[in-house]
This record gives sequence, C-alpha cells and structure tokens, in this order.
Amino acid sequence: DAKTTQPTSMDCAEGRAANLPCNHSTISGNEYVYWYRQIHSQGPQYIIHGLKNNETNEMASLIITEDRKSSTLILPHATLRDTAVYYCIVRLSVTGNQFYFGTGTSLTVIP
Amino acid sequence: EPEVTQTPSHQVTQMGQEVILRCVPISNHLYFYWYRQILGQKVEFLVSFYNNEISEKSEIFDDQFSVERPDGSNFTLKIRSTKLEDSAMYFCASSGGVLQNTEAFFGQGTRLTVV
Repeated sequence: DAKTTQPTSMDCAEGRAANLPCNHSTISGNEYVYWYRQIHSQGPQYIIHGLKNNETNEMASLIITEDRKSSTLILPHATLRDTAVYYCIVRLSVTGNQFYFGTGTSLTVIP
Repeated sequence: EPEVTQTPSHQVTQMGQEVILRCVPISNHLYFYWYRQILGQKVEFLVSFYNNEISEKSEIFDDQFSVERPDGSNFTLKIRSTKLEDSAMYFCASSGGVLQNTEAFFGQGTRLTVV
C-alpha cells in the first residue's frame, strides 16, 4: 500500500509558484522520496528525488522536512503545461526497486 | 535526450489472441519495468527485469504474462491469451542502476484495446 498522503486536487494561478505537499510519516531512514507527474494519459515523467537534503533541478525544487515525515514539491513559475497529476513516491525497498504510484494530486494551472 | 520508446502506440486485438508489446529502453540502462494503467485508475507495477531474469513481479503478472529481452536493445511484454480486462495503457520504464537513488524513465505507452 501507498506510504504517502497527498491532497486529491489543487489549483494554481499561471506564473505563480505551485507548492504540492506530501506526507510520508512512516518513511525509513534509507528510503528516497521521488516525484513524478503524468500529463493526461502520457507516461509518467520523472521530476526530482531526494533523501534528506533539499534538491533543485531545472524543473522543480524538493523541500524535505528535517524529520523527513513530509515534503513539498515546488514548481517556481507554473505554466498551463504543468497541469498534470503529480505523484509523491517513497521507494519501497532496495531489492524490489519498484515505484508505487498512488492516486497523486491533480494540479490545475489556471490562466 | 535519451528516451524509452514503445511500439505500437495503439494495439487493438481480439479476446484470446496473443499480443507482444515492444520497448526499447535507454541504451546503457540495466533495469527494466512494465507498468499498466487501466483507464481512470492508478499506474500499477507488473514486473521488473534485471540481468536477463525477472527480479520482482506483482500479483497481476500471472502465467498469461511473460517478458523477454530477445536482443541487446528490445524488451518485450507478451500476453498469451488476452482478456477484456487486459485493456489498458502499458508503460515500459528503464533505470540505470538498482539502487534506490536511481530514477526510472518511462515510455509514452502502448494503449491496448481488447475487443
């Protein structure tokens, strides 16, 4: 079962920062937090991942709380093309290596 | 930028027929996956493949399913006798390593429609 909790849906104004929260209160010390998104029925797209430090790349920033029980994905300047379902994923095991996709957050960027 | 490619983009088949979905993972990747997504539902893990053998499979991946890496570039998913409930988007993915600190990249999927 999913080890993460995300809001079902969110809206964000175009050009503003989109902040997508995720709770993962049972995360273990060696489990990474990953974010993917899925635009319509396309393949999931990798965004970013991290262990305990904040991470930033060309797409987004990932802020992980000090206790690692929650994180926030930040899209700094949301565009209409960022409308998608965003999945917060905790990698379940080292040997299994699979990604478990929950229901995610449906983000709608509003013009 | 390297990407995972899947063919065909859409496959229509009659119930009971065999189908083979094809994937070309990113060339230097070692770990391969198949996922599926029934319309309106979650993305579900089917199987992972490493070093020419299945490393993990889900309950969905029963005897009707098989995977193969027939050559150095292709990775295939075969469904032996399709059922109506096999209709879904099937996504192939690959990653460069087996560690948790390695992201996987997904293809654009094959939409399988069983009639």
